[in-house]
Amino acid sequence: GAVVSQHPSWVICKSGTSVKIECRSLDFQATTMFWYRQFPKQSLMLMATSNEGSKATYEQGVEKDKFLINHASLTLSTLTVTSAHPEDSSFYICSAKPGTPSETQYFGPGTRLLVL
Amino acid sequence: AQSVAQPEDQVNVAEGNPLTVKCTYSVSGNPYLFWYVQYPNRGLQFLLKYITGDNLVKGSYGFEAEFNKSQTSFHLKKPSALVSDSALYFCAVRGGSNYQLIWGAGTKLIIKP
Repeated sequence: GAVVSQHPSWVICKSGTSVKIECRSLDFQATTMFWYRQFPKQSLMLMATSNEGSKATYEQGVEKDKFLINHASLTLSTLTVTSAHPEDSSFYICSAKPGTPSETQYFGPGTRLLVL
Repeated sequence: AQSVAQPEDQVNVAEGNPLTVKCTYSVSGNPYLFWYVQYPNRGLQFLLKYITGDNLVKGSYGFEAEFNKSQTSFHLKKPSALVSDSALYFCAVRGGSNYQLIWGAGTKLIIKP
């Protein structure tokens, strides 16, 4: 149980285009979903936290207009990288947390984005 | 400030030997502690967690971790390492009001045959 999927697993796009990444909890309802970014050989950097039906809470330094997050249902959250630039190339990982009292986050396999 | 430290960037262990990956934390209140493992080009997999109860927590793939409140540590252990245990290991503690995790820098575990 507690499987989280991400789609696509990797994407290559041209600079200036937008890319949407989907995160789905397959066998549980996720009241909270998290979006992370991971640079090579580094730890995870939390980008934003989203609760179903409400606006995402962005971490300091993360541009909310550039990284649009939508958590429209209890099983789906999307991250859209708008007007992508090469510096946005990274490994993006989502996680989902079932409702309380569970404390555990379950992670998707990640999406590798390369912006040319 | 709440923080997690993994003092070793890399740990090398011979197959069959016991392994320890260290983690210390600083958090106000009771800590909720987690270990995750990341295999190359893959997402993180949950290994184990400590919320309350027994200080020795058993998790997936034969791993266990010992919560030590006086030393503010939560070291990950396994009695006999396998080559397939080679991966990147992250320690995390719950912080903030929205169940956010505060992450350690990660420790690369290399098991040599």
